[in-house]
Amino acid sequence: NAGVTQTPKFQVLKTGQSMTLQCAQDMNHEYMSWYRQDPGMGLRLIHYSVGAGITDQGEVPNGYNVSRSTTEDFPLRLLSAAPSQTSVYFCASSSRQGTQPQHFGDGTRLSIL
Amino acid sequence: GQQLNQSPQSMFIQEGEDVSMNCTSSSIFNTWLWYKQDPGEGPVLLIALYKAGELTSNGRLTAQFGITRKDSFLNISASIPSDVGIYFCAGHSPTSGTYKYIFGTGTRLKVLA
Repeated sequence: NAGVTQTPKFQVLKTGQSMTLQCAQDMNHEYMSWYRQDPGMGLRLIHYSVGAGITDQGEVPNGYNVSRSTTEDFPLRLLSAAPSQTSVYFCASSSRQGTQPQHFGDGTRLSIL
Repeated sequence: GQQLNQSPQSMFIQEGEDVSMNCTSSSIFNTWLWYKQDPGEGPVLLIALYKAGELTSNGRLTAQFGITRKDSFLNISASIPSDVGIYFCAGHSPTSGTYKYIFGTGTRLKVLA
């Protein structure tokens, strides 16, 4: 009963460091996405993918890279972390059939010092 | 980027009371979703709405897809302490791109026993 799994749950980085947030889903969903959640801002779309090998930018893509080599995995990379990237990051997936609801992971809480 | 207007931002209620919250948009949506987020977890889908005027229930929760297609409402009857959390609406616009949902800023609910 895994659904969408995100790792790590917590991370502290120094400015300029790089890291990859992992996301995996076991529901064979075509569509996957990354959001960041900041106080009073709701969820903002960073990047999304409609299938393996296909990615596109969302609302706030700067400073983040993604790739989708398999249906199951959709990692998010921070190349050079900045304090403005301190946030809670959520990965979500959904079936490609119509506008199906997205299923979320439990999030990664990231602090950049 | 476009966001939904969700109100109220927060509310304190007594256990047993009914709760109402709503989301409004400046553009027409063809899907409305309601999620609940508990502390330290990802959003969990409560109700999905796909047709204008649709009224759907999930236990003590009832949501409606506004007839104008620009708003949606969520009601919780006879609230209990475990209803505490943040409730998000999300909408899909025909012009926003396939699979891309827009999220409200959330209603933070606190129930006083």
